Formats: sequence, C-alpha cells, structure tokens
Amino acid sequence: QLVLTQSPSASASLGASVKLTCTLSSGHSSFTIAWHQQQPEKGPRYLMKINSDGSHSKGDGIPDRFSGSSSGAERSLTISSLQSEDEADYYCQTWGTGFVVFGGGTKLTVL
Amino acid sequence: EVQLVESGGGLIQPGGSLRLSCAASGFTVSSNYMSWVRQAPGKGLEWVSVLYSGGNTYYADSVKGRFSISRDNSKNTLYLQMNSLRAEDTAVYYCAKAHYGWDAFNIWGQGTMVTVSS
Repeated sequence: QLVLTQSPSASASLGASVKLTCTLSSGHSSFTIAWHQQQPEKGPRYLMKINSDGSHSKGDGIPDRFSGSSSGAERSLTISSLQSEDEADYYCQTWGTGFVVFGGGTKLTVL
Repeated sequence: EVQLVESGGGLIQPGGSLRLSCAASGFTVSSNYMSWVRQAPGKGLEWVSVLYSGGNTYYADSVKGRFSISRDNSKNTLYLQMNSLRAEDTAVYYCAKAHYGWDAFNIWGQGTMVTVSS
C-alpha cells in the first residue's frame, strides 16, 4: 500500500532555512509527488512537483525561496529565508490510476 | 483568471443528502481531470473522488457507493452528490484541478463546509 510519511511538526527561525521531507513507502520510490501549502484558515496552494530524479517544477508565482529535491524514496521541500507567512501546514501528494494519496502534513512554525 | 468556487455546503442530518457544486472559470472542466478533496476539522487532507476528462470516475473506499461525482459541461461545473451522510463526513470540501492530465493538483477552490449532525 502506498503511504506518504511526513513529520508532524517542524520549526525554524525567521530568515533561516528549513527542509521538510516526504517519504514514499517501500516499493514506491519512483513516484512523483507534489507539495501543497495551507496557511491558517485558507485552502491549499500548489507549490511544486518533484520527480524521482530530483527535477521539479513550481507553480505560478511561487518564490525562488522554495525548492525541491529527491533522494531515494524521500522528496524534500526546502524553504530558505523563512518569512512569517511561511508558517503553515505543508502536505505532500502522490497519485496513480484512480487514486490520490496525501501525507499526514507537517506543521511549520516560524520562530 | 483560473478559478474554482465551491458552494452547496451546510448543516445536514445523518442519513441525508447534499449536492456540492464547483464552478470553474478560466479553463474547461470537461477537458481536465477534476477531484474532490476533504478536510475534517483539525485533520489533514483526504482525497474523495476524481472525474477523468474521458469520463471515468473513481472514489475513496470511505465514500464508495454513497458519493457520486459528475459535471455539467454547459455550466462548466463539477458536482459531488453525497448520499447517506454520516457524522464522519463532516469536513471542508475542496474541488481541485489536476495540472496536465492526471497529475498534481495545481488549482484549488476555497472550500465549502459540510456538517453532518442531528
């Protein structure tokens, strides 16, 4: 069964960088994933898609501070120069024929 | 501007029915893969259903047999018919558009709240 695993929480200081990771379950390390940001009381916003080779494509208007990478079954989102508005929940998503799977989400706190 | 606007949520008793709508602008619903995703209060995102551009439909096990996804091409609108509603269906329901073909969701609506309670 395809499962995406995320740490429930992360924190970093204003202006610093943070790396959030989404891990694909065994046997599914070739899957592409997407990252979405959900600020408090808002709907999700698409950030980027990350392929197994580490190539990624960002959504419209997503700042260069957001970047993606891949290593084995891990797909990571790195946010540099953290700003207060980056405090949000971050979800990874993957998909296949007739299904979509979301990770449990990571709550990012900007200190 | 590419946009999705959901409507139709509200308070409904257990066992009741409700139809959600998702009006699209800036693109054609029938040419895209469209999904519903829900989020229970304080919880994460849960995929509900997808309607492929070719007409195939798929559902999460939790709603299979109770929910039905459809579209009206003349109104450029996606629907979710929800029957036999349960308390655990209480959530904000979002519609989402996949990027190219069956792909990441790149456009999300603002959501509509469904509360199932007596």
